[in-house]
Amino acid sequence: GENVEQHPSTLSVQEGDSAVIKCTYSDSASNYFPWYKQELGKRPQLIIDIRSNVGEKKDQRIAVTLNKTAKHFSLHITETQPEDSAVYFCAAYYTSGTYKYIFGTGTRLKVLA
Amino acid sequence: NAGVTQTPKFRVLKTGQSMTLLCAQDMNHEYMYWYRQDPGMGLRLIHYSVGEGTTAKGEVPDGYNVSRLKKQNFLLGLESAAPSQTSVYFCASLKRGGTGEQFFGPGTRLTVL
Repeated sequence: GENVEQHPSTLSVQEGDSAVIKCTYSDSASNYFPWYKQELGKRPQLIIDIRSNVGEKKDQRIAVTLNKTAKHFSLHITETQPEDSAVYFCAAYYTSGTYKYIFGTGTRLKVLA
Repeated sequence: NAGVTQTPKFRVLKTGQSMTLLCAQDMNHEYMYWYRQDPGMGLRLIHYSVGEGTTAKGEVPDGYNVSRLKKQNFLLGLESAAPSQTSVYFCASLKRGGTGEQFFGPGTRLTVL
């Protein structure tokens, strides 16, 4: 069945360094790739997304890249800050009418001050 | 708009007791989902619904039942709670053919003794 692999499962970086989280999806029909951030005790919330007709999208310190051919997409966080510490989930979805929303297994990011 | 709300926020049950978790959304979304999240783990899909009056099994449906009698509400029932069902339960909704963003409720923390 469809799945999304996410790596690494944990990531520790020094404050100010960059962090990269990678996902690989299996369903070639997927055309929407969101990233959710879940702070401790809170609900997952969308932080950035990318559609299949775009290769890269940036929003301040976060960016997402997509390689459709390889079925890879990645989250990049630059100049990390302690408040970036959280669990990050990637997902793959086909927006044209299906319910299937496939989440990755999550990456716990720790930003060390 | 309240978005997605969940009732209750916390609950402690004894083994064998039953309860119902309520999810409500005011965004007129067609798709609704129930996930469970165990400590340090990802989101696992329990049941989902693609519209009023329809429900289907997800990845981990055993021990749970659901109903969607009204479009805005999605109920998750535990008929005979077991300690293995101790978890945080998240409800989410998604607009069919929309942007693709899945909106989460604040979660229900359930402990089964």
